[in-house]
Amino acid sequence: GAGVSQSPSNKVTEKGKDVELRCDPISGHTALYWYRQSLGQGLEFLIYFQGNSAPDKSGLPSDRFSAERTGGSVSTLTIQRTQQEDSAVYLCASSLAGRGADTQYFGPGTRLTVL
Amino acid sequence: AQSVTQLGSHVSVSEGALVLLRCNYSSSVPPYLFWYVQYPNQGLQLLLKYTTGATLVKGINGFEAEFKKSETSFHLTKPSAHMSDAAEYFCAVSESGSNDYKLSFGAGTTVTVRA
Repeated sequence: GAGVSQSPSNKVTEKGKDVELRCDPISGHTALYWYRQSLGQGLEFLIYFQGNSAPDKSGLPSDRFSAERTGGSVSTLTIQRTQQEDSAVYLCASSLAGRGADTQYFGPGTRLTVL
Repeated sequence: AQSVTQLGSHVSVSEGALVLLRCNYSSSVPPYLFWYVQYPNQGLQLLLKYTTGATLVKGINGFEAEFKKSETSFHLTKPSAHMSDAAEYFCAVSESGSNDYKLSFGAGTTVTVRA
């Protein structure tokens, strides 16, 4: 079956521009996660959506970062006024429910480069 | 937050030799434990996980891991390495309680397999 998909696969932008990254989770999965993978910080949790509950935004590094999930499915991560330190691979994952024992299935990621 | 330590950022093994990747975590409360593998330019793929029950967990591709509560460890092994095992491996640990959906990842171990 179809896995988690992300677009674009690569994004190059100039410092100060806004970017939007998209994630399509596995159909039927109610939980969706965003992570950031960078050389300096490893894999970091950013944000978590579960059904209609308020998202857990505790991992967002600054107020330039925001995310939404429309209709309980597709999610968009937005970074405003990008900085060079935002360069990283942004990974999206989904799971059947938001339980800790659930397997999180990861997408291939979006590689963001800020010049 | 959980602290996850993977001993050795790079491991080189001969084809057919034992693969041993070490993972230790900080929590005294048994969390959920995961090993993921990442091939170049791909997302993370679950190898195996421990949630409850038997402490020796078998996963895909011949990998297994043993949860040792007294040592707060979850080391990954494979008896005989194959060239296709060359990849980066991440140990992940869930938070406890109501935030158990949140994973903390180790820094990763890159495995090289020599012919």
